[in-house]
Amino acid sequence: GNSVTQMEGPVTLSEEAFLTINCTYTATGYPSLFWYVQYPGEGLQLLLKATKADDKGSNKGFEATYRKETTSFHLEKGSVQVSDSAVYFCALSVGTSYDKVIFGPGTSLSVIP
Amino acid sequence: NAGVTQTPKFQVLKTGQSMTLQCAQDMNHEYMSWYRQDPGMGLRLIHYSVGAGITDQGEVPNGYNVSRSTTEDFPLRLLSAAPSQTSVYFCASSSWTSTEQFFGPGTRLTVL
Repeated sequence: GNSVTQMEGPVTLSEEAFLTINCTYTATGYPSLFWYVQYPGEGLQLLLKATKADDKGSNKGFEATYRKETTSFHLEKGSVQVSDSAVYFCALSVGTSYDKVIFGPGTSLSVIP
Repeated sequence: NAGVTQTPKFQVLKTGQSMTLQCAQDMNHEYMSWYRQDPGMGLRLIHYSVGAGITDQGEVPNGYNVSRSTTEDFPLRLLSAAPSQTSVYFCASSSWTSTEQFFGPGTRLTVL
């Protein structure tokens, strides 16, 4: 079946450090891949997405590249800020049906000044 | 444009009580869904709807009912609350043409 695996958290970084959050997936067909972010006390919001192999999604300084050969969609940011402290969820969808959206367990990031 | 709204934000119930979590969206989205979020488990789909009058079960539907009488509203009913239903509940919506989901702020439910 379809599944998403993320690196275990929590992750603690100093401000301006480089961030990588690993995400790998298992899926039948050709999934779309997403990163959602959840700030404290809020719902999830879409951070970036990629819909086919080799696509790069980017937003707010974050990037992730859809790697079909390694079934990965790792999230990166060159210089994190305190305001990036949040929980990050990797997700995939197959087709456009709601019941085909699968979320990873989430990775908590804390950025300290 | 309020997006997706949920009420209440917090709720404490006793085992066996019933209640309804409210969800509304003002984006005219066809798809709406309910998730629960538990530590280390990500989001799990409870029920979803592809339009008014149409609902279906997700991954963890037991103990929950839904209905969709209008495009805007998608309430989630707990029939007889159990401690295992202690969780944070999120409502989400999406348009037919996109798999991007818009989430509400969540309801934190504790069942004693």
